[in-house]
Amino acid sequence: DQQVKQNSPSLSVQEGRISILNCDYTNSMFDYFLWYKKYPAEGPTFLISISSIKDKNEDGRFTVFLNKSAKHLSLHIVPSQPGDSAVYFCAAWLSGTYKYIFGTGTRLKVLA
Amino acid sequence: NAGVTQTPKFQVLKTGQSMTLQCAQDMNHNSMYWYRQDPGMGLRLIYYSASEGTTDKGEVPNGYNVSRLNKREFSLRLESAAPSQTSVYFCASSWGGKGQVDLRGYTFGSGTRLTVV
Repeated sequence: DQQVKQNSPSLSVQEGRISILNCDYTNSMFDYFLWYKKYPAEGPTFLISISSIKDKNEDGRFTVFLNKSAKHLSLHIVPSQPGDSAVYFCAAWLSGTYKYIFGTGTRLKVLA
Repeated sequence: NAGVTQTPKFQVLKTGQSMTLQCAQDMNHNSMYWYRQDPGMGLRLIYYSASEGTTDKGEVPNGYNVSRLNKREFSLRLESAAPSQTSVYFCASSWGGKGQVDLRGYTFGSGTRLTVV
């Protein structure tokens, strides 16, 4: 049973526009969330995080929003750049466990 | 450069062959992890080690064994490779131990692409 879901396998956006990547989860007890970015032939790299006690966290062009009532997480990239083209994974941590649970990933393509 | 180093980067095995994937980190991290990535499946945890000398099973441990040789090194062994083990394997490490969330997430290696024919 997939506890963390990224329902859009791919997304294409024009350079300069906003990219919105979505992630849904089923367990309301998750207390920490991350977004990772992955380029081909490289490992995932940490991008941005948010605690369950917050609803927004911003870092430059990247903002993560958390809607706990909807069990929904989103990553906004503004403005999008061609270098942002990558696969993005969301991940969630359940307190008392030993791992992050990863979503299936969304491939973002930013068109120049 | 500091980070997680995986070897080899590519490997082709015949069904039934064995091999060991090597992983080393130089960040003095406590925990180390082995994941596999398959299309449409995301990253699935194979095994994890919260500290030197301890290992635990993840979501998909069948067909694999691990060794936490010391704090730096965590190896993954396939005793008798099967085509279903064709995948990209990632090693990762983090500061946190068992039950401790690492707010900076994991540091991943660049992966090993394994094909079993």
